[in-house]
Amino acid sequence: QSVLTQPPSASGTPGQRVAISCSGSNSNIGSNSVNWYQHLPGTAPKLLVYNNDQRPSGVPDRFSGSKSGTSASLAISGLQSEDEADYYCAAWDDSLNGQVFGGGTKLTVL
Amino acid sequence: EVQLLESGGGLVQPGKSLRLSCAASGFTFSSYAMNWVRQAPGKGLEWVSGISGSGGSTYYADSVKGRFTISRDNSKNTLYLQMSSLRADDTAVYYCAKAQGMAARRSSFDYWGQGTLVTVSS
Repeated sequence: QSVLTQPPSASGTPGQRVAISCSGSNSNIGSNSVNWYQHLPGTAPKLLVYNNDQRPSGVPDRFSGSKSGTSASLAISGLQSEDEADYYCAAWDDSLNGQVFGGGTKLTVL
Repeated sequence: EVQLLESGGGLVQPGKSLRLSCAASGFTFSSYAMNWVRQAPGKGLEWVSGISGSGGSTYYADSVKGRFTISRDNSKNTLYLQMSSLRADDTAVYYCAKAQGMAARRSSFDYWGQGTLVTVSS
């Protein structure tokens, strides 16, 4: 049982927009920034969004993050087949005094 | 170019110990916190431990507290994870991850290694 809650799966067709939610509590998302990672099996995870809505250089602007209260969301617009991967949200948790991840969302591009 | 190369994984019996290493290059190692994150077979990512750039602050997930020790040698640009009293549920790919800042708290992980597999089994 992960501290941050994500839907286990999401899907969309090429060109569509999909959103992945991440729900937490006051001790994690409510108090700290949310980060999002993309992970393809067998490869190193990749930082997609940090500080709720900031993109590292090289990450397409098709990826965007937002946060409100104790929830966050990752939106992917103009969906491409290469976006098929697992996506994780993460945040620091003040009560646990450590980082916590969501359970991950497997994105399928139909 | 930032590079993180983990090593030290392998097959180990329950109750035994193992030390993982992560050799870093391409950045000023001592200026950044470092972390270990693992992924058990068929499971999601789980943060294991973090250490500040100076090594003065360390943090652990409850699942490994008292059994794992994170450390770093800034003169060798290397991060370590000493794992003891290993259990079957410690079986996972262990990733080394660089933080965006010097503090281990509240930081995102901007570079990751390819991971090293640890299998705990008799």
